[in-house]
Amino acid sequence: QQQVKQSPQSLIVQKGGISIINCAYENTAFDYFPWYQQFPGKGPALLIAIRPDVSEKKEGRFTISFNKSAKQFSLHIMDSQPGDSATYFCAAKETSGSRLTFGEGTQLTVNP
Amino acid sequence: DTGVSQDPRHKITKRGQNVTFRCDPISEHNRLYWYRQTLGQGPEFLTYFQNEAQLEKSRLLSDRFSAERPKGSFSTLEIQRTEQGDSAMYLCASSLGRISAYNEQFFGPGTRLTVL
Repeated sequence: QQQVKQSPQSLIVQKGGISIINCAYENTAFDYFPWYQQFPGKGPALLIAIRPDVSEKKEGRFTISFNKSAKQFSLHIMDSQPGDSATYFCAAKETSGSRLTFGEGTQLTVNP
Repeated sequence: DTGVSQDPRHKITKRGQNVTFRCDPISEHNRLYWYRQTLGQGPEFLTYFQNEAQLEKSRLLSDRFSAERPKGSFSTLEIQRTEQGDSAMYLCASSLGRISAYNEQFFGPGTRLTVL
């Protein structure tokens, strides 16, 4: 079963715009939520991650917003650039666990 | 380059053949993970090692799959009697296992397997 649901499947944004990708989870034991960026033919690269004791984390143009009660979290990419065009995956992990559970991915295209 | 490396990057094989992939983790990382990614999907966990001990295996890891990490450094993933459904990208990741830490996983470039 899909424990982490991600939307949208694809997203097209103009250069300079804001890209927003959403994820929802059911497992309340999840307490680590990373986002990965993947370019074609490459492995996923860690972008930014959050623990549920904070509601927001910002690193440069990338921000994670976290809503623990709704069991949802989202990635915001400010001032989106063509170089941001990639597939983005949210993921989740239990503290005591080892495995990352990934969402289905969002293919982002930023038009110049 | 001190990142995770995988070899080969691409492998084409015929159904029924055996294949073996290698992963070299980041040198100080004691945890190593294998994931499988099919086209248009997120990676799915296969198995995990802490040092040389294989501590967890997914139900996705059928008995045709075997993974080893003999000296707690590099790891191999072998698929016996390959099937067309095994065609996927096989990703390796490593992390520095610490108690009460994020244990961020860093991924290699993957091995793309095509079974004809």
